[in-house]
Amino acid sequence: DIQMTQSPSTLSASVGDRVTITCRASQSINSWLAWYQQKPGKAPNLLIYKASSLESGVPSRFSGSGSGTEFTLTISSLQPDDFASYYCQQYKTYALTFGGGTKVDIK
Amino acid sequence: QVQLHESGPGLVKSSQTLSLTCTVSGGSISVGSYYWSWVRQPAGKGLEWIGRIFVSGSTNYNPSLRDRVTISVDTSKNQFSLRLSSLTAADTAMYYCAREPEAGDWYFDLWGRGTLVTVSS
Repeated sequence: DIQMTQSPSTLSASVGDRVTITCRASQSINSWLAWYQQKPGKAPNLLIYKASSLESGVPSRFSGSGSGTEFTLTISSLQPDDFASYYCQQYKTYALTFGGGTKVDIK
Repeated sequence: QVQLHESGPGLVKSSQTLSLTCTVSGGSISVGSYYWSWVRQPAGKGLEWIGRIFVSGSTNYNPSLRDRVTISVDTSKNQFSLRLSSLTAADTAMYYCAREPEAGDWYFDLWGRGTLVTVSS
């Protein structure tokens, strides 16, 4: 299995802050990485695929970067609607694995 | 627009088999190159992929669950299903069905709302 490690597990920030979440893979996954946002009681929602491609309808303040084993999700200016949990997911292999999640809460 | 909806019992007994169904509405399950998956999430914890199916019947399973999982598809009903056997309390979770765009693009671009499954002793 490819292990995915996210950091931090919790992040406290204010509206307008630039926020960066890191995801590391236990082996190279090239650019086969997706990011999701999940709000309490809701299903995850796709933000980014192939490490840096923005899903249709997702605000441009979200961006992804990285390749190989290290990846980042950046929110350029945190909005009230962005307080949620975020997960990375690798799809280098058919046996998909997710990171443990990062909860972004209000400072 | 295509939507996914999970259904099944909310409470099942330990050692029994869980059966869940995902109904695809607003479009045909057979159109395109989509794969159809199950993902679960214990309360307050992270996401775990269970397995996927293509309309041809081809499947892939999470190696950690492979011995207990069966995913099937019924194109006439526009549904796919999950069976998980030998349940324990560790299988208590929210279960989601989800869609993957095509082979190799194994990310999820559409999700159901989820159904909560509790395994009781």
